[in-house]
Amino acid sequence: DIQMTQSPSSLSASVGDRVTITCRASQRISRYVNWYQHKPGKAPKLLIYAASSLQSGVPSRFSGSGSGTDFTLTISSLQPEDFATYYCQESYSSPLTFGQGTKVEIK
Amino acid sequence: QVQLVQSGAEVKKPGSSVKVSCKASGGTFSSHAINWVRQAPGQGLEWMGGIIPGFGEPDYAQKFQDRVTITADESTSTASMELSSLRSEDTAVYYCARPDREDYVFDYWGQGTLVTVSS
Repeated sequence: DIQMTQSPSSLSASVGDRVTITCRASQRISRYVNWYQHKPGKAPKLLIYAASSLQSGVPSRFSGSGSGTDFTLTISSLQPEDFATYYCQESYSSPLTFGQGTKVEIK
Repeated sequence: QVQLVQSGAEVKKPGSSVKVSCKASGGTFSSHAINWVRQAPGQGLEWMGGIIPGFGEPDYAQKFQDRVTITADESTSTASMELSSLRSEDTAVYYCARPDREDYVFDYWGQGTLVTVSS
């Protein structure tokens, strides 16, 4: 199984900050990484697919990069509605695996 | 636009089974796999398995292989996930999820179903 190691597990940031979350795969997975935002009581929301493609309707302050084993989600200017937990997910092979999550909190 | 609507919350006794349903509307039901993902309290997202309606066998995570059954009924556009031999650790919110264009990329999600396992 592919392991997805996400860091940090949590972070505190202010509105307007640039935030970066990283995810490392246990083997090379090309660009088969997706990023989700999850808020309490809501279903997860797809933000980025195929490492860097922005899902329709998602603000352009979200971006993704990486290939092989190392991937990054960046929020260029954190907004109040962005406080949530973020997960990476590999879509390279079954069983699908998610990172442990990064909780973005208000500083 | 695809919508996934799940069945309601359940409270179950340890050792029993639970069946959660996921009704799809919009799109083509058999075009992509319906997957099941759960989140236990304080934990992350965990993929349980999936099925392409009308095509072959379900694909299960090894952790759940002996206890989960995922089915899909094309006539009602409804997928179901049944988990047996429930234990307290199975208390979680269970989501169905479906791709739009690429396998294993979850564009659409159900609203989630809370399953509580308690004696």
